[in-house]
Amino acid sequence: KQEVTQIPAALSVPEGENLVLNCSFTDSAIYNLQWFRQDPGKGLTSLLLIQSSQREQTSGRLNASLDKSSGRSTLYIAASQPGDSATYLCAAPPGGGADGLTFGKGTHLIIQP
Amino acid sequence: NAGVMQNPRHLVRRRGQEARLRCSPMKGHSHVYWYRQLPEEGLKFMVYLQKENIIDESGMPKERFSAEFPKEGPSILRIQQVVRGDSAAYFCASSRGLAETQYFGPGTRLLVL
Repeated sequence: KQEVTQIPAALSVPEGENLVLNCSFTDSAIYNLQWFRQDPGKGLTSLLLIQSSQREQTSGRLNASLDKSSGRSTLYIAASQPGDSATYLCAAPPGGGADGLTFGKGTHLIIQP
Repeated sequence: NAGVMQNPRHLVRRRGQEARLRCSPMKGHSHVYWYRQLPEEGLKFMVYLQKENIIDESGMPKERFSAEFPKEGPSILRIQQVVRGDSAAYFCASSRGLAETQYFGPGTRLLVL
């Protein structure tokens, strides 16, 4: 059974800082891993999907890496802005499967202006 | 290009009533997933469907809950005889195929009085 853990649970930093969010998963036989953001009372916005054959993916100021052998992924946010404030969720499918995602509890990020 | 649509966005039911939640996937997507987010908890996978077929319902409670994705029309998550513990945000996601990015709808927030 896949389990996903995210640390830290919460993070508050001044605007402009670079930061790293961590995600670990127990079953490394995954097809991919996905990062989302969730704003209060809203749905999820897909940020990045990393296929198992990739080591990293980039989109703008976001960079996600994947190390299957160690069961870890990181989301790097460069030059943080107040608009980045949200909860960031990491999600992995079951090992060997590609359907329902298992989510971590998220990192609640606050960027101080 | 419309995203995943869910309705209603908010639903209030009294204990014992039925709740019907609808999800229209993105155009071209034939894979639908339902997730539940209980207050102060993470997102939990419920069921994965393709057109007219339930592929994985391992996360769905055995009683009172059912899901369908007919050949025509939206996917429906049905909760019979709702109880207060069913109060949660229910999210639908869709993807084009296996191991592809899941795109989430805005969710239906169910409140059971």
